[in-house]
Amino acid sequence: GAVVSQHPSWVICKSGTSVKIECRSLDFQATTMFWYRQFPKQSLMLMATSNEGSKATYEQGVEKDKFLINHASLTLSTLTVTSAHPEDSSFYICSARNQTLAGVRNEQFFGPGTRLTVL
Amino acid sequence: LAKTTQPISMDSYEGQEVNITCSHNNIATNDYITWYQQFPSQGPRFIIQGYKTKVTNEVASLFIPADRKSSTLSLPRVSLSDTAVYYCLVVPGWGNMLTFGGGTRLMVKP
Repeated sequence: GAVVSQHPSWVICKSGTSVKIECRSLDFQATTMFWYRQFPKQSLMLMATSNEGSKATYEQGVEKDKFLINHASLTLSTLTVTSAHPEDSSFYICSARNQTLAGVRNEQFFGPGTRLTVL
Repeated sequence: LAKTTQPISMDSYEGQEVNITCSHNNIATNDYITWYQQFPSQGPRFIIQGYKTKVTNEVASLFIPADRKSSTLSLPRVSLSDTAVYYCLVVPGWGNMLTFGGGTRLMVKP
């Protein structure tokens, strides 16, 4: 299989501050990583696709200037929530594909998630 | 992208077999059917994937009829630890995005 980690697992911050969330693929290289957001009792919503060495692709309705994504290496993508507000409080989950694994179409390995609470 | 429809919630008891059906009427020829499991405050975990007929692994079975417009995830002899949300996804033959629908919240009772 493949392991994806996230850090921190939870964070509480004041309104107006910026928060950085890291997503790492621990035992494989990932040219593409994905960032999702999940509100309580709701499904995962894809926010953006993070491409190593290039700009991220954002889904419709997601502000790219507010949710900054950097994919500087094949094992690390970061999501920075800038000027966070209470409505940004959510569960943020990243995922990555291990393209060296054969057999399962588009299998993604998900991180454990980061719970963001903005006061 | 093919849309999926599955029951919002299901209840079961320990030791029973649970079948969760998902409809995907607009599935394309190159699409695969994939199921993920998610526990509270965790990321989803891959369970099983299939294209047609029946697929079985150590966790579950996936039944797909010939027209592929629906699929059924079968969990044999569930336990309390199977309480989770189960997502049915149609994975496109091109690109690499996953689109999550509403999922089915399974509650296993003692």
